[in-house]
Amino acid sequence: QVQLQESGPGLVRPSETLSLTCTVSGESVTSYYWSWIRQSPGKGLEWIAYMYRSGTTNYNPSLKSRVTVSVETSRNQLSLRLSSVTAADTAVYYCARTLMGDGKSFDIWGQGTLVTVSS
Amino acid sequence: EIVLTQSPGTLSLSPGERATLSCRASQSFGSRSLAWYQQKPGQPPRLLIYAASRRATGIPDRFSGSGSGTDFTLTISRLEPEDFAVYYCQKYGDSPLFTFGPGTKVDIK
Repeated sequence: QVQLQESGPGLVRPSETLSLTCTVSGESVTSYYWSWIRQSPGKGLEWIAYMYRSGTTNYNPSLKSRVTVSVETSRNQLSLRLSSVTAADTAVYYCARTLMGDGKSFDIWGQGTLVTVSS
Repeated sequence: EIVLTQSPGTLSLSPGERATLSCRASQSFGSRSLAWYQQKPGQPPRLLIYAASRRATGIPDRFSGSGSGTDFTLTISRLEPEDFAVYYCQKYGDSPLFTFGPGTKVDIK
C-alpha cells in the first residue's frame, strides 16, 4: 500500500523560503512521477511541479522562478522549496503520485500540510 | 492557457437521485487527458475517473465519465450518502501542464 506523508514548518515568514518534504512508503520514488499540488481558498487546486527520478522536472510557469523540486532517492523522499513567499502562498500543500501514461492524473495523494505565510 | 469551467457551482440533490456534473474547457485538448476527483472536508482529492471515462481502482460503477473535445460530464447514477462532496475536473496539456476546474459541490437537498 503506497502512502505519502508531507512534513515541514506550518508557519513561514514573508520573503522567506518554504521547504517541505514528502516521505513515500510502499513504493520506490524512482518508479513513478511525483507532483506537488497546493490548495487555497482563493485559487483552488494548483499544480506546482512534477519530478521524475533525478533531473526530470516540469514547473507551473506561474511559480517556476521561485520553485525547486527534487527526488531524494536514498531516503525515498520528495522535496519542495518555494522562495520569496507571500501571503498568497498560504495553502494546503499536497504531494501526489502522478500517472503519465494513458490518462494523466494523480492517483495517490498525501493528507496535505497547511502552510501559513505570516509575520 | 486552457481554462476549465465547472457547472453548476452547487448541485442540491437527494440520496438516490442522479447527479450530472459538467466540465467545459476553453479550447479542445486530448480527451484522454481529463480526470475527475472527489474531495471531502479535511481530505485530499480522490481520483475517480481518468482518461475521461475510465474508473480508477476501487471506484464504484455508479460513477461514470464521458465527453470529448471541450465538453465532459461526470455522472453519478444514484447518489449514496457518502457521495456528497466537492468534485473537480483536471486536464493535462498546454501550459501549465495540469490545471483543475473550480469544482462543483454536491450537497444534500
